[in-house]
Amino acid sequence: ETGVTQSPTHLIKTRGQQVTLRCSSQSGHNTVSWYQQALGQGPQFIFQYYREEENGRGNFPPRFSGLQFPNYSSELNVNALELDDSALYLCASSLGGSRVNTEAFFGQGTRLTVV
Amino acid sequence: DAKTTQPPSMDCAEGRAANLPCNHSTISGNEYVYWYRQIHSQGPQYIIHGLKNNETNEMASLIITEDRKSSTLILPHATLRDTAVYYCIVRNTHPNYGGSQGNLIFGKGTKLSVKP
Repeated sequence: ETGVTQSPTHLIKTRGQQVTLRCSSQSGHNTVSWYQQALGQGPQFIFQYYREEENGRGNFPPRFSGLQFPNYSSELNVNALELDDSALYLCASSLGGSRVNTEAFFGQGTRLTVV
Repeated sequence: DAKTTQPPSMDCAEGRAANLPCNHSTISGNEYVYWYRQIHSQGPQYIIHGLKNNETNEMASLIITEDRKSSTLILPHATLRDTAVYYCIVRNTHPNYGGSQGNLIFGKGTKLSVKP
């Protein structure tokens, strides 16, 4: 158990719809990162939030957006879903600030299927 | 792109040591080497990380060569539950990330199969 929880665990959406995925970070962590993992591939970085601000973004289009709340939980929103968005979406929390090189702890992921 | 190279797969007998190699020839002086593993359909699990000294914890040991161009993750007594994909990652600490860390750039990892 990492203390990072994601909801829902599984989700089926129709192409063109919008989806919101949620992540509760580990207690005391102020940084949340989101990753997309397609079948058979390693996780790909989407973006990171540090103290409620986006603090880095990978090669994903603007229809992938996010939020971080004052309690450091986070949401990933995907608009205009495409079939290729079907993947496991992973959230990782870590402690940012002076301790730069600390480990990130991952949740169990949300399996999104777009039909 | 990932900055590491790992063999796609390895086998190990249960109870024996599993030695997983990783090449990171372009690593820079302030970049750390991280290891994560992912058991099927679960989120990645942190194992260990290091800069230049060898590291050991309750899960594994990390041996980094003196030139830092390669490393080896050692699971001293592999069990069937250690069957997973193991990812070696060089930490990308972008200066604009301010007080937080850079993202983890995952490659395809090494699929370790521990056999009875």
